[in-house]
Amino acid sequence: ETGVTQSPTHLIKTRGQQVTLRCSSQSGHNTVSWYQQALGQGPQFIFQYYREEENGRGNFPPRFSGLQFPNYSSELNVNALELDDSALYLCASSLTDGLSEQFFGPGTRLTVL
Amino acid sequence: AQSVTQPDIHITVSEGASLELRCNYSYGATPYLFWYVQSPGQGLQLLLKYFSGDTLVQGIKGFEAEFKRSQSSFNLRKPSVHWSDAAEYFCAVGAATDSWGKLQFGAGTQVVVTP
Repeated sequence: ETGVTQSPTHLIKTRGQQVTLRCSSQSGHNTVSWYQQALGQGPQFIFQYYREEENGRGNFPPRFSGLQFPNYSSELNVNALELDDSALYLCASSLTDGLSEQFFGPGTRLTVL
Repeated sequence: AQSVTQPDIHITVSEGASLELRCNYSYGATPYLFWYVQSPGQGLQLLLKYFSGDTLVQGIKGFEAEFKRSQSSFNLRKPSVHWSDAAEYFCAVGAATDSWGKLQFGAGTQVVVTP
């Protein structure tokens, strides 16, 4: 059984560019959540996907968007990158039950210059 | 407003000594409580969780936490710290009404273990 994987590990972009981050959920998990963790802070909930549809969203602007695919993998897309988007982006997978454990990937470190 | 507070940004503890990390929450709904650990370059690993029942919860790696509703606290403890426990620890809260399991995290406590 493989865990949650994320790619790429690190990424450097410039302001105004667009970025796509990828996440493969743990086997058997059909729910994926994305979090942003700025340096020195706790993770902040961005949104969650369940059965290919957004199933809840945190306080993030529309330029943060996502997709979930039939195999339950997911993408996080960020348009018009800003310096404050520099952070560690974490993906977590879980069963549909909201009370179940969320298994986190190692994250993608995004730097915006 | 909902919030999770970890009052200690940084804690230094000697190997073999006991450790207690504080977590206070403010949540309108019935809270579900979690403690996660994050080592450098790693994702978050769940140490333990509290949903209901016995307010003293046992987790992995010898950690335990106690839910105190009257104090809105969920403090994490370990009787004897090992050097491998050096990491950042996050308390998180989810609401029973959130069927999709959104978690709100505290800012974290960095634990340093000295020989």
